[in-house]
Amino acid sequence: DTAVSQTPKYLVTQMGNDKSIKCEQNLGHDTMYWYKQDSKKFLKIMFSYNNKELIINETVPNRFSPKSPDKAHLNLHINSLELGDSAVYFCASSQSLSMDGEQFFGPGTRLTVL
Amino acid sequence: RKEVEQDPGPFNVPEGATVAFNCTYSNSASQSFFWYRQDCRKEPKLLMSVYSSGNEDGRFTAQLNRASQYISLLIRDSKLSDSATYLCVHSGAGSYQLTFGKGTKLSVIP
Repeated sequence: DTAVSQTPKYLVTQMGNDKSIKCEQNLGHDTMYWYKQDSKKFLKIMFSYNNKELIINETVPNRFSPKSPDKAHLNLHINSLELGDSAVYFCASSQSLSMDGEQFFGPGTRLTVL
Repeated sequence: RKEVEQDPGPFNVPEGATVAFNCTYSNSASQSFFWYRQDCRKEPKLLMSVYSSGNEDGRFTAQLNRASQYISLLIRDSKLSDSATYLCVHSGAGSYQLTFGKGTKLSVIP
């Protein structure tokens, strides 16, 4: 059974389009995250949700809007895609906001903007 | 200065070798430290937490030096399956946010 799943796994789209990535975790965790890993392999937090409430909103463009319909799901919608948005987007979850908590990552969504 | 700095490598070592990675961090208030492992085109996975007293898990040993603000990972008797990128990770005081280093790439050669 997959603990953290993301769809789609690959996403190729044109500049200016709007797209969504979905994430689901079946671990019963309270906290979920979105990370971006760019071409230089630098993994950076974008958003964090705890019990469906936004906790962290790093300095990302407002074209990116996370939505959490329930604790098990955290989706990411991106408007007006730009070339620089090309990256791998990872969803992750953890039991809680504890600093000692392990984060479990999904397999990633490889986004290519043409 | 970057928050977390690692030598990107690659470290090419023969099977059975011992290899060590270091990582330095700039935030002296950082509380928790971890090593994550990321295989090529895969997601990161927690390898081990790093405690002030040091900790060992099989062939892997992690150490924390708060005075010098670095953590280390030692891998003994390297296996081919150890080939991956090792990410140094920490979280700051009062912050639940994990900060990742860019990783050190290890290739274990037959």
